[in-house]
Formats: sequence, C-alpha cells, structure tokens
Amino acid sequence: DVKVTQSSRYLVKRTGEKVFLECVQDMDHENMFWYRQDPGLGLRLIYFSYDVKMKEKGDIPEGYSVSREKKERFSLILESASTNQTSMYLCASSLRGGGGYTFGSGTRLTVV
Amino acid sequence: EDQVTQSPEALRLQEGESSSLNCSYTVSGLRGLFWYRQDPGKGPEFLFTLYSAGEEKEKERLKATLTKKESFLHITAPKPEDSATYLCAVQAVSDTGFQKLVFGTGTRLLVSP
Repeated sequence: DVKVTQSSRYLVKRTGEKVFLECVQDMDHENMFWYRQDPGLGLRLIYFSYDVKMKEKGDIPEGYSVSREKKERFSLILESASTNQTSMYLCASSLRGGGGYTFGSGTRLTVV
Repeated sequence: EDQVTQSPEALRLQEGESSSLNCSYTVSGLRGLFWYRQDPGKGPEFLFTLYSAGEEKEKERLKATLTKKESFLHITAPKPEDSATYLCAVQAVSDTGFQKLVFGTGTRLLVSP
C-alpha cells in the first residue's frame, strides 16, 4: 500500500523554537508539497519541490523553509515558531506530470 | 487568479436523503478537477479526477460530474459513514510553470441515521 508518512501526529512547541516536520513517501514521486489547513481557509500551499534540492514558494511561504536532500523525503522547517503557525500541516506527493496527490495523515502543531 | 468555491459550507442530511455538493472554479486552462474526502484529524483521501466537460465518474453512492464552470458531487441514498468533509481542487500552473492543486474550503457533510 503506497504511503506518505508524516513523522508526528501531534506536536507542541514553544514560541521561538525551531521546528522540523518530516515527510517520507515510498511511491518514487517527483513532486512533494507542504500545505497548512485552517478552519475557513482551506488548504494553503506553503512550499513544493519538483526534484531533489529544488524548491518553489507556494502561496504562504513566510516564516517557513524546506529541505529536500533525498527524493523520498521533504522537510518543513519553522525557523522561529510563532503562535500564528498553530495549524494542521499536510504533506503530499504526486508524479512529475501532475495528477492527484497522495496525502499524509497530517501533523497538528500547537505553538504555545 | 485561480479560484475554487464550494457550497454549501455544511450540509446535514438524513440517511437515504440524496443531495449534491457544488464546486465552482475559475482557472486559466483546466488540467484536472479533483474530489477528495477528509475525515476529522486525517489527511484528504482521493476520490475522483475529471478532465473535461461532460465527464462523469462514479464510486458507490458518489457520482462526480463536470461542466466548463463547475463540478457536482452527487450523493445518492447516503449513509452515516459518508459523513466527512469533501474537498474540491483544480490543477493550476504556478508562476514558474509548475503544476499545483488549488483547493476549495470544503463542504462538511453530516448524515444522520
């Protein structure tokens, strides 16, 4: 069964901490994505990557960075966590040509 | 700007009461419209992809249709286990030429026994 695995389901961090969210896929997909999901705002794209070491800003990249050192792994980094980054974070992957995404189960991050 | 609007925001049905969810979109050159189901606390799960006006896809009690401006997700004789949030997304092209999905805010469906 193909999978996108996010390392943590729930995470509580303090304001100002550096936070790493990890995502691994086993489908040999070229594209990987990070979204955040908030009530009333839907899914908003933070960053995406279409190849190893390549990244593109999405619609709301401020306060975030990403790393893709290997094809199967895509990390989201909150350089200095703030309370407005409390959210559900979803990782997804897809084939290079586009098409449907496969999502992970999400990480619910709370910044206190 | 590429945009997806879903209605209603929430829908409450009795078991067996059929209805439809709406997804209207504006996108420069539709490359695909996607429907996902999301259960509370979980990631979205893929349901359907539609590529051209007139296309229809079915899965159990769900049927998705597509026109040039909107898509419908028809739910026939729903059961309580169909309760979830249903998300619609269109495939768009980023400023740098890469494909990405743009999502609507979803319709929360509650089916009561």
